[in-house]
Amino acid sequence: DVKVTQSSRYLVKRTGEKVFLECVQDMDHENMFWYRQDPGLGLRLIYFSYDVKMKEKGDIPEGYSVSREKKERFSLILESASTNQTSMYLCASSQTSGHNEQFFGPGTRLTVL
Amino acid sequence: KNQVEQSPQSLIILEGKNCTLQCNYTVSPFSNLRWYKQDTGRGPVSLTIMTFSENTKSNGRYTATLDADTKQSSLHITASQLSDSASYICVVSREFKTIFGAGTRLFVKA
Repeated sequence: DVKVTQSSRYLVKRTGEKVFLECVQDMDHENMFWYRQDPGLGLRLIYFSYDVKMKEKGDIPEGYSVSREKKERFSLILESASTNQTSMYLCASSQTSGHNEQFFGPGTRLTVL
Repeated sequence: KNQVEQSPQSLIILEGKNCTLQCNYTVSPFSNLRWYKQDTGRGPVSLTIMTFSENTKSNGRYTATLDADTKQSSLHITASQLSDSASYICVVSREFKTIFGAGTRLFVKA
């Protein structure tokens, strides 16, 4: 079974704090993704990575950065958290071959006060 | 603009009843279309996946259909159970791009 884990299920931070969200997958997938999910908007892609140390901006990268030092780990960083970054954050991984199905982690509910 | 539109936005049905969720898309060309189920507070889990040449795919009580000519897909749930209460997300992929619908929130009540 593919397993994608995220470091926290719930997180509460203050405005201006630096926030790290960690994601680990155990299936040797090449691709990893970070999304945020807000009511009525569906999933929106923040950043993705197709290989170690490689990263690409998604649709809403502003205010975020990412790091992929190892194949199994993809980190999302909020340099200075703001209240409009309160959201559910979902990590996913996929293999390039085949159906390209993305497997999702359980999500991190981040609240910025 | 590539879009995936889902309807209804939310739905309440009685346990045991059937229901059908709709997905219309403008993504073209596309590689595959997937339906995900997302329980509250959880990540999405894949239910079905169809390529453009397939027009139906079943997974237990879930049956997805695809009409590539009209760019429509539906997810039919048979004999609903309380555990079917969740959001159902339609996802269309084409080369290098995956587009998510906003989802349909289904509530099954006893």
